[in-house]
Amino acid sequence: DIQMTQSPASLSASLGETVTIQCRASEDIYSGLAWYQQKPGKSPQLLIYGASSLQDGVPSRFSGSGSGTQYSLKISSMQTEDEGVYFCQQGLKYPLTFGSGTKLEIK
Amino acid sequence: QVTLKESGPGMLQPSKTLSLTCSFSGFSLSTSGMVVSWIRQPSGKSLEWLAAIDWDGDKYYNPSLKSRLTVSKDTSNTQVFLKITSVDIADTATYYCARTLLITTVVTGFDYWGQGVMVTVSS
Repeated sequence: DIQMTQSPASLSASLGETVTIQCRASEDIYSGLAWYQQKPGKSPQLLIYGASSLQDGVPSRFSGSGSGTQYSLKISSMQTEDEGVYFCQQGLKYPLTFGSGTKLEIK
Repeated sequence: QVTLKESGPGMLQPSKTLSLTCSFSGFSLSTSGMVVSWIRQPSGKSLEWLAAIDWDGDKYYNPSLKSRLTVSKDTSNTQVFLKITSVDIADTATYYCARTLLITTVVTGFDYWGQGVMVTVSS
């Protein structure tokens, strides 16, 4: 199985601050990576697919980048509604696997 | 408008079989490229992909649970089912179904999710 390692496990950011979350795959996943946001009691929401493509309706302050085994999610200007848990997920090979999550809070 | 909704027993005893249904609308599983996955999440933990079924009836399973899982779909291609045999406490989780995007053979993401159904395994 492809292991997905996310960092940090948690972070807090001030309003307007730029936030970056990292995800490392145990092997090259050729940009087959998606990012999700999950708020308490809600289903995950797809933010980014194909490592860098913004899902329809997602604010442009979210962006994804990376290649090979290293990927990142950036929020360019932290907003209150961005609080939640963020997960990465690889889609190159079955079984599909997720990172352990990053909890993002407002400072 | 794409919607998915899971249904299940809520609570069941260890060693029993868990049967879940995903009812969806806004797309048809008979359309080429369409896939529906099952994913679960224990409270406070990360997500675990369990199984998927595609428009052609091909099935994919997580090897860690493969011997216990069966995914299927109905003939109208508006429902997908998941059975998990011999459940134990470790199967307690919220279970989601999600529409799964494909580009060639790469799963690019899960773009629509159901609200989830909480399942508790307890004696």
